Amino acid sequence: AQSVTQLDSHVSVSEGTPVLLRCNYSSSYSPSLFWYVQHPNKGLQLLLKYTSAATLVKGINGFEAEFKKSETSFHLTKPSAHMSDAAEYFCVVSLGGGADGLTFGKGTHLIIQP
Amino acid sequence: SQTIHQWPATLVQPVGSPLSLECTVEGTSNPNLYWYRQAAGRGLQLLFYSVGIGQISSEVPQNLSASRPQDRQFILSSKKLLLSDSGFYLCAWSVQPVWTDTQYFGPGTRLTVL
Repeated sequence: AQSVTQLDSHVSVSEGTPVLLRCNYSSSYSPSLFWYVQHPNKGLQLLLKYTSAATLVKGINGFEAEFKKSETSFHLTKPSAHMSDAAEYFCVVSLGGGADGLTFGKGTHLIIQP
Repeated sequence: SQTIHQWPATLVQPVGSPLSLECTVEGTSNPNLYWYRQAAGRGLQLLFYSVGIGQISSEVPQNLSASRPQDRQFILSSKKLLLSDSGFYLCAWSVQPVWTDTQYFGPGTRLTVL
């Protein structure tokens, strides 16, 4: 079985400073990995995805994530935080084998301090 | 372009009452459709998915059911709501049935059962 762990339930950074949201996964097979963002009372928006191509994945709004197989990690980063980045972020792992292969993390709440 | 609609946006229902949430997708044909629930303080849980009209797969046993009467319509129902059914319900769609594909989420319905 696979699992995904978002290591921080809350992350607080100052505007203009770097953002790091951590995600570790457990999988017996080569997974696909996604990051989604959810703004208050909104649906989920895909930020980026990794599907066994380049290990450094660039997404929307200046976010990127690096797939590190040796560390089983897929951390989300952004060089400079903006107030509009305040939201809930979800790391998702998929085995590509059906609905039972899709697992969501519990989310990380990103707080941006002015 | 494709859009996904959900309604109502918010709903307050008494325990034991019925439920019907609707999701429709525009701008695409034969989408794969999904219902998720996000309970307070918890991650997303996949409830149902559908690869075609009349085809419903359930991921979690519960007092909810889903139906797909038309190609781009997905309905979540309950005959008798429980307190534990409160949460944020998200509908999503994807082009491919495999789980490496991007899923596009709707705006969600916030359900409160009293």
